[in-house]
Amino acid sequence: DTAVSQTPKYLVTQMGNDKSIKCEQNLGHDTMYWYKQDSKKFLKIMFSYNNKELIINETVPNRFSPKSPDKAHLNLHINSLELGDSAVYFCASSQDRTDQPQHFGDGTRLSIL
Amino acid sequence: GESVGLHLPTLSVQEGDNSIINCAYSNSASDYFIWYKQESGKGPQFIIDIRSNMDKRQGQRVTVLLNKTVKHLSLQIAATQPGDSAVYFCAENVGGSNYKLTFGKGTLLTVNP
Repeated sequence: DTAVSQTPKYLVTQMGNDKSIKCEQNLGHDTMYWYKQDSKKFLKIMFSYNNKELIINETVPNRFSPKSPDKAHLNLHINSLELGDSAVYFCASSQDRTDQPQHFGDGTRLSIL
Repeated sequence: GESVGLHLPTLSVQEGDNSIINCAYSNSASDYFIWYKQESGKGPQFIIDIRSNMDKRQGQRVTVLLNKTVKHLSLQIAATQPGDSAVYFCAENVGGSNYKLTFGKGTLLTVNP
């Protein structure tokens, strides 16, 4: 069973569209994250949710809106997609403590035409 | 040296040799460190972690060394195998109780058979 699963794996769309990426974890973790990895493989945190509450928001444009319906799910909605949004987006989860690793999904590759 | 295009530091080793991947971290208050392995098309995979009250930790074929004096972390892989070829990232928790990982640039390890 996949621990952290994201859908879709690939997303190709046009500039200006709105799209969503879904993430689910079956590890029983309390905290979930969204990361963005650019073409140079640089990995940067975007958001973190703990028990459905937003705890980290790394000055991401407000076109990006995370939503956590329950602690096992964290979705990412992006409005008015721009060329610079092209990247791989990773979801991760961890226990609610700072000495345990975060576990990552396999990413969603977003390509903006 | 650097890999053309990705501009990642690269390390090329022969199968069976030991590999050492280095990382300089940024925050002297960081209390937890993780090494991740990322294969092509996959998410970062946890390898080994270490807390700031330790200076060495060993796993299966891997050892992490932490030098807090110079803010340096290293990953040693014994008897490197072709399956170890991947990009390796160090990450530090800079968020204190708000678990926030900052990732290093990544090192591309290539194992030659």
